[in-house]
Amino acid sequence: GENVEQHPSTLSVQEGDSAVIKCTYSDSASNYFPWYKQELGKRPQLIIDIRSNVGEKKDQRIAVTLNKTAKHFSLHITETQPEDSAVYFCAATAENTGNQFYFGTGTSLTVIP
Amino acid sequence: GAVVSQHPSRVICKSGTSVKIECRSLDFQATTMFWYRQFPKQSLMLMATSNEGSKATYEQGVEKDKFLINHASLTLSTLTVTSAHPEDSSFYICSARVQGAPARYGYTFGSGTRLTVV
Repeated sequence: GENVEQHPSTLSVQEGDSAVIKCTYSDSASNYFPWYKQELGKRPQLIIDIRSNVGEKKDQRIAVTLNKTAKHFSLHITETQPEDSAVYFCAATAENTGNQFYFGTGTSLTVIP
Repeated sequence: GAVVSQHPSRVICKSGTSVKIECRSLDFQATTMFWYRQFPKQSLMLMATSNEGSKATYEQGVEKDKFLINHASLTLSTLTVTSAHPEDSSFYICSARVQGAPARYGYTFGSGTRLTVV
């Protein structure tokens, strides 16, 4: 089955700096990679996603890159703000197969004002 | 979009009692429901996958007799923590796969249940 690894587990940055979270996956059949943001005690919220036919996607201050050959993908947050503080999860799945999402271990991001 | 309603949001129970957590899909049929457990600032740990009308598939290390899952209809799945102990205290969250929908719309989470066993 799929194995998703995520680093770092914790990350502290100064407000305004950038944050980068990296994930690797093992199953070449995975072709859909979402990123979720979870605030304490709340449900994970999808913030950005990328499919395997695309190398990069950007949405305002958030971007995701994918290297299919190396089987890794990364989340980039620029101009971080205190409200970006949360736990972020990457995930991988083979879209349209009905398979479960395989989640990374999570990164607790703290943005210091 | 697809919405999963999860109840209760918080529950405190005494050791030895059982607690039932419900997840309902409000505007779609959830043929597959995933149940996760999450410790503070940690990842979602898949406990089991349930398909409507069949027995749940449990992940290794998860006691199926302790965490009873029922998925009797296309809109309701339940997780019952039986004979709860303090170490069962955790955040439990369900998610549903929306059949036929693209993945970004096809995987939706419940709001989670904070279980505290005293």
